[in-house]
Amino acid sequence: GAGVSQTPSNKVTEKGKYVELRCDPISGHTALYWYRQSLGQGPEFLIYFQGTGAADDSGLPNDRFFAVRPEGSVSTLKIQRTERGDSAVYLCASSNNAGGGGYTFGSGTRLTVV
Amino acid sequence: RKEVEQDPGPFNVPEGATVAFNCTYSNSASQSFFWYRQDCRKEPKLLMSVYSSGNEDGRFTAQLNRASQYISLLIRDSKLSDSATYLCVVNIPLHNKLIFGAGTRLAVHP
Repeated sequence: GAGVSQTPSNKVTEKGKYVELRCDPISGHTALYWYRQSLGQGPEFLIYFQGTGAADDSGLPNDRFFAVRPEGSVSTLKIQRTERGDSAVYLCASSNNAGGGGYTFGSGTRLTVV
Repeated sequence: RKEVEQDPGPFNVPEGATVAFNCTYSNSASQSFFWYRQDCRKEPKLLMSVYSSGNEDGRFTAQLNRASQYISLLIRDSKLSDSATYLCVVNIPLHNKLIFGAGTRLAVHP
């Protein structure tokens, strides 16, 4: 596609529920990144995929967070047993050269846990 | 110590002013540096890369001082449309990921 697409744009869920956030990167981009941004903060790294594999998942805060990219294109970030502290904007980015250059971000999913 | 530190601002300046933002980073092995711009409730967008020799793009000038681990962004002749948050970004070598500062907020007023 022309840009990075993220769905849904907004998600409100109840504490304890499971959510899935989807990212469709720019066609042909092999690297895909998930970040989380809280109010007044910069984006915080969560996980990075090179192709189908998670090359670096050191930013995932705990085992409630998991992400997949089974075919090397679309990625899904999964959050189990959501907590109010998970409320943030989840940003996906893709690039064509594994971090050496800048990224193109999607418009994000605003997750609110009530 | 945070990996990338910026003055959060806000910087409130009149149109036409020159404003400078500074950033320091902790990983001396970092090789790639960027400034991103983020408008309210929007995603970050790449403004410019930062090179050792310094680089300029219109009213914007970026400088890198590797010895001091310091990056700067200078905006000349500020426009109302420059109002945004400016994010300093540094790569983490061998890990292929970018680390973002918390951002510096700029408000340009008439």
